[in-house]
This record gives sequence, structure tokens and C-alpha cells, in this order.
Amino acid sequence: GQQLNQSPQSMFIQEGEDVSMNCTSSSIFNTWLWYKQDPGEGPVLLIALYKAGELTSNGRLTAQFGITRKDSFLNISASIPSDVGIYFCAQGGSEKLVFGKGTKLTVNP
Amino acid sequence: DAGITQSPRHKVTETGTPVTLRCHQTENHRYMYWYRQDPGHGLRLIHYSYGVKDTDKGEVSDGYSVSRSKTEDFLLTLESATSSQTSVYFCAISESHRLNTGELFFGEGSRLTVL
Repeated sequence: GQQLNQSPQSMFIQEGEDVSMNCTSSSIFNTWLWYKQDPGEGPVLLIALYKAGELTSNGRLTAQFGITRKDSFLNISASIPSDVGIYFCAQGGSEKLVFGKGTKLTVNP
Repeated sequence: DAGITQSPRHKVTETGTPVTLRCHQTENHRYMYWYRQDPGHGLRLIHYSYGVKDTDKGEVSDGYSVSRSKTEDFLLTLESATSSQTSVYFCAISESHRLNTGELFFGEGSRLTVL
């Protein structure tokens, strides 16, 4: 079945640092998604990407749809304590969303 | 916030007992999903529904059954709970057109512990 490899599994950073995480797929899909899960909550959609090469920003978050259509990157600039949580990549565009295993982000004040 | 309510939010049960988790939505969305979240595995789809009485399996459906007799309710049943089913279970909903954008709305989760 389709697999998404998300890295790193966890990150421990200082407040103010930039963060980068990525996701690769064994197959090509038309939609890359990034979700964030706050502690004790359900995931929430952050950014959706629909075209190869597309670069999209949402505040301090920037995500890119890889040219090969098999990867995506999420960058967070100038991290703040409320950025803590688990970030999931996902591939969509069909009835079933497939999620990566997540990157757990810890931000030290 | 999307109107999604999961119940119970926490449950401890014993191996071999039946368990039913309920997801209730007030958004009249067509699609409803059950995921489980486990450390090291992320979110894995158990079952989903694309309409009343229309359901399909996800990647980890063994040991689980679902039912959807009304648009607003999607039930997940563990006929005979096992310790491997200890997990956090999330319900999610989506409207048809939102599937193209990949936007699911998640509930707050139900933590199930099977002793």
C-alpha cells in the first residue's frame, strides 16, 4: 500500500529557531497536505498543495509541493511556544486520506 | 469549530468485552471516518462512511465494525476488545467537495485502554 515517510520523527528546538520537516511518498499523488495536532486535540489542516512546484505560505509556515510529486516540505520560521505539537503530512484528493507518522515538535522557551 | 462530538472520551475496559465508540456530527457532512493514533504509527484509517449505510474498510479494519444508520452518527464497535486495540480513536468528517482539498475536520478523540 501507499506509504508516506515523514522525517524527522521528533525535534527539540529553542524558541526563535526555524524548523524544517519533510515527507516522501512511494507513489505520485495530486494533493499534499500538512496538518497540525495540538496536545490533547484532533489534527487541523494547515496548508494544502495541489500542483508540483507549488509554494504556499500561511503566516510563519511555508510548504512546498516537490517537483517530482513524491515529496513535500514544511518550514516554520521564528518558532514560538505554541508551535508545539505533532505535524502530519498527508496525501489526499480521494475518499481516503493517508497520513505520515508525524513529526513531534518541542519548543523550549 | 466543526460540530463533532465523540463519546466516551475515555474508557477503560477488559480484554474480551465489547466496546462501542460514537461519533456525532451536526454539520450534515456526507463523509465520516474513524482513525486510530498510536505512537510511531501516526494516524491509520480503520473504516469510513460515504453515506447512510454505506461504509468501506481502511488499512487497519480487522477487529472493528462500523455502522451508520443516520447521517449524524457513525459508530465504531470492537466486538471483543484486545490489548492491541488500546489507542486513541479519532472521528473525522468531510463534505464531498472538501475531499478535493483534503480537509477533514477531526473530533477531540476517545482514549481507549484495554486491560
